[in-house]
Amino acid sequence: GAGVSQSPSNKVTEKGKDVELRCDPISGHTALYWYRQSLGQGLEFLIYFQGNSAPDKSGLPSDRFSAERTGGSVSTLTIQRTQQEDSAVYLCASSLLRESYEQYFGPGTRLTVT
Amino acid sequence: QKEVEQNSGPLSVPEGAIASLNCTYSDRGSQSFFWYRQYSGKSPELIMSIYSNGDKEDGRFTAQLNKASQYVSLLIRDSQPSDSATYLCAGRSGGYNKLIFGAGTRLAVHP
Repeated sequence: GAGVSQSPSNKVTEKGKDVELRCDPISGHTALYWYRQSLGQGLEFLIYFQGNSAPDKSGLPSDRFSAERTGGSVSTLTIQRTQQEDSAVYLCASSLLRESYEQYFGPGTRLTVT
Repeated sequence: QKEVEQNSGPLSVPEGAIASLNCTYSDRGSQSFFWYRQYSGKSPELIMSIYSNGDKEDGRFTAQLNKASQYVSLLIRDSQPSDSATYLCAGRSGGYNKLIFGAGTRLAVHP
């Protein structure tokens, strides 16, 4: 079946602009996660959604970052007033929260802030 | 601070050999562990999950978990050049659903 999809695949933006990144999880997956991976770094957790609510936002690095999920499906990660340190690959994953907690990743959005 | 530690490598093994990748974790509450393979420029791909002590085999891959020692490993038998990638170990803590990832071990399989 279809996996996790993300758009855009690449985004180049100027410092100070706002960007929106989109994630469409695997159909039926109730949990959705955002991570980011900076060049040469490990994966850093940002936020977790169960349905439309976000019980764990502990990884959001600043109040410039926000995310929402609607209809228990698509999620949007918004970064306001982008900074160069926001440059990274933003990865979305989804999972079923029963039987196993395996998370499946999308292809990612590579964000470059110039 | 919950941590997952991996040797960054590179781990170099000849084709056909067994590659052994190791991971330790600090949170005794961690209940589930996962191994992901990540090719350069690609996103992580789940290859193994393990939830209880002992071994779990899937094809050429065997995951091992020892909760007393807080140790997880991945064995790759009959290593192939196509196995060359970075392998990420991740743990899920009880009560939380986020994964804590290690920095990854780079594996190079040479012909």
